[in-house]
Amino acid sequence: DAGITQSPRHKVTETGTPVTLRCHQTENHRYMYWYRQDPGHGLRLIHYSYGVKDTDKGEVSDGYSVSRSKTEDFLLTLESATSSQTSVYFCASRVGGEGTEAFFGQGTRLTVV
Amino acid sequence: DQQVKQNSPSLSVQEGRISILNCDYTNSMFDYFLWYKKYPAEGPTFLISISSIKDKNEDGRFTVFLNKSAKHLSLHIVPSQPGDSAVYFCAASGEYGNKLVFGAGTILRVKS
Repeated sequence: DAGITQSPRHKVTETGTPVTLRCHQTENHRYMYWYRQDPGHGLRLIHYSYGVKDTDKGEVSDGYSVSRSKTEDFLLTLESATSSQTSVYFCASRVGGEGTEAFFGQGTRLTVV
Repeated sequence: DQQVKQNSPSLSVQEGRISILNCDYTNSMFDYFLWYKKYPAEGPTFLISISSIKDKNEDGRFTVFLNKSAKHLSLHIVPSQPGDSAVYFCAASGEYGNKLVFGAGTILRVKS
């Protein structure tokens, strides 16, 4: 299995506060992704990265920003957390864009109160 | 606009029988399709994939079929086992392979 870790694993935060989730991979994968999982919606793509400092929006990017200053780290920031952002967040990485599978982290359960 | 659709939220089958999970997609630029399995409190794990140049790929008990003209793929599990009970996600990529888009998932319950 690819070495991909997410931190923190659980977080409770208050509405209006900034939150940063970290994804770290040790496989030198070029592509990295952030998803959120919600009942009835499956895994929805928030943002993804196709290289250092190269990122693009996914399906549900409003309210989120990302940064990738090193190949191994992909950060997801909620600038001002809202209750609608309560979810389970998954990070994934992929060695090459085409014809390869993505490997997922264990997830971060975020609760905004 | 949901580009990958799994229209069956859940499926229940008897142990030993076949499980068939379906997936439809709308973007004709997708050229690589994957199935993932997810247990509660764990990250999704890769199961099987298929390229658009093929119409079938098999790996043990798991077979994926692709019908490009219908923009439809299916995952067959034969024989189904209780340990197969999980959420199954269909995913697709294309357009230079950057994005990886998932469906809403299907909960499979295999009864013993």
